[in-house]
Amino acid sequence: DAKTTQPPSMDCAEGRAANLPCNHSTISGNEYVYWYRQIHSQGPQYIIHGLKNNETNEMASLIITEDRKSSTLILPHATLRDTAVYYCIAGWGFKTIFGAGTRLFVKA
Amino acid sequence: EAGVTQFPSHSVIEKGQTVTLRCDPISGHDNLYWYRRVMGKEIKFLLHFVKESKQDESGMPNNRFLAERTGGTYSTLKVQPAELEDSGVYFCASSSRRNGANVLTFGAGSRLTVL
Repeated sequence: DAKTTQPPSMDCAEGRAANLPCNHSTISGNEYVYWYRQIHSQGPQYIIHGLKNNETNEMASLIITEDRKSSTLILPHATLRDTAVYYCIAGWGFKTIFGAGTRLFVKA
Repeated sequence: EAGVTQFPSHSVIEKGQTVTLRCDPISGHDNLYWYRRVMGKEIKFLLHFVKESKQDESGMPNNRFLAERTGGTYSTLKVQPAELEDSGVYFCASSSRRNGANVLTFGAGSRLTVL
C-alpha cells in the first residue's frame, strides 16, 4: 500500500460540504483509493473507493486528480453524525495502512 | 445481510492469562482479516485468511498470538500469555469485491484490557 498524508483535523459547519484532502503521491497504477471512517471507537466503516474516475454514492463523492497523486472526499451536506476520523488508504485494501486520518468536527 | 460479529466486546484479564477473541465474518466471505489498535497508536494489520489458510501473517507481533480459522468460517485469535502491551481494540473484517476493488467490512471490535 502507498503512503498517504492527511491533515490531522478539520472543522465543518453543519449543512455545509466537508472537503477532506488526501495526498498519495506514491500510488501505483493499479492501486485503489479508499476512504473509511471511524466514529468514536466503533469499527471502521467503508465510505467509497475509486481507481481513476470520480465516484459518487449515497454517502459521499470522491474526486481523484488526473495524475492520481491526490484525492478529495466530499460529504455534500455534513451532519453532526459525520463527526469522525476519516482515513484515506491507497492500495489493494487488505494489508491496509490506516495512518492517523483526519479528525472531522461538524459543528452546529 | 448480517455484518461482521465479534465476541467478546470487552475482556479484562490479568497479565499472564489467556484470552480468545472470536470473529464471525459475513456469510460467504472467504477473506478474513484481523487488525488491532493499541492505545494512542494507529490501526495495524495483523493477518489475513483466505478460507482456512493464512495468506499473510506478517503483522502478528509475536508467537504469543495464534489465529485460527478452522473450516473457513469463523476465526479465533488467542493471546497466551497476555502482556500489558497487548491491551487495545482488536478488529476483524471480511471483504467483498466491489467494482474490482477489495472492500472491507469491519466488526465493532473486541476491547482487551490486560491488568
